[in-house]
Amino acid sequence: AQRVTQPEKLLSVFKGAPVELKCNYSYSGSPELFWYVQYSRQRLQLLLRHISRESIKGFTADLNKGETSFHLKKPFAQEEDSAMYYCALSGGLTGGGNKLTFGTGTQLKVEL
Amino acid sequence: DAEITQSPRHKITETGRQVTLACHQTWNHNNMFWYRQDLGHGLRLIHYSYGVQDTNKGEVSDGYSVSRSNTEDLPLTLESAASSQTSVYFCASKAGGHTEAFFGQGTRLTVV
Repeated sequence: AQRVTQPEKLLSVFKGAPVELKCNYSYSGSPELFWYVQYSRQRLQLLLRHISRESIKGFTADLNKGETSFHLKKPFAQEEDSAMYYCALSGGLTGGGNKLTFGTGTQLKVEL
Repeated sequence: DAEITQSPRHKITETGRQVTLACHQTWNHNNMFWYRQDLGHGLRLIHYSYGVQDTNKGEVSDGYSVSRSNTEDLPLTLESAASSQTSVYFCASKAGGHTEAFFGQGTRLTVV
């Protein structure tokens, strides 16, 4: 079974402070990990994915297979980063990795 | 431009009624998903489809059904709506493998 755990429901930081949103996963195969973001009253959109190793809006995430983690980090939080963040895992024994499983989400609030 | 749309955006229905939520995508994606979003639970998978005539149960499929008669549409039906099904519903589609999923705008369903 594939599972994604986001231990923090809410994370509140001050503007300019570092941000780390935690994500741990459980999967027996070789997964692909994603971070999706949902701004207020908008649809979910992809923030970044492990396979592309890119940095989007200053966010990065490193896959640690030993700790089965994919934490999202940003060195300096901005007010516009306030949103709901979801960690997701693509995997599955059938369908060639098409099934997408999400964590419970972390609401990031950046205070001035 | 390709897109994925849901209708209606908002729906109020009575307990016991049958309700169908529409999802239409023009990405020509084989893979389509329905999730419900609830506070404290994040996004939970209801049903998914890997192609025409293929449907699969997700983790919270009881009380819901889907059908896939063409590539573009995956309607979600609540056979007999219950108050526990009050939620925000998101449809998503993706290409094969570890690719990005695209989400609809969501449907807010209230069962009274």
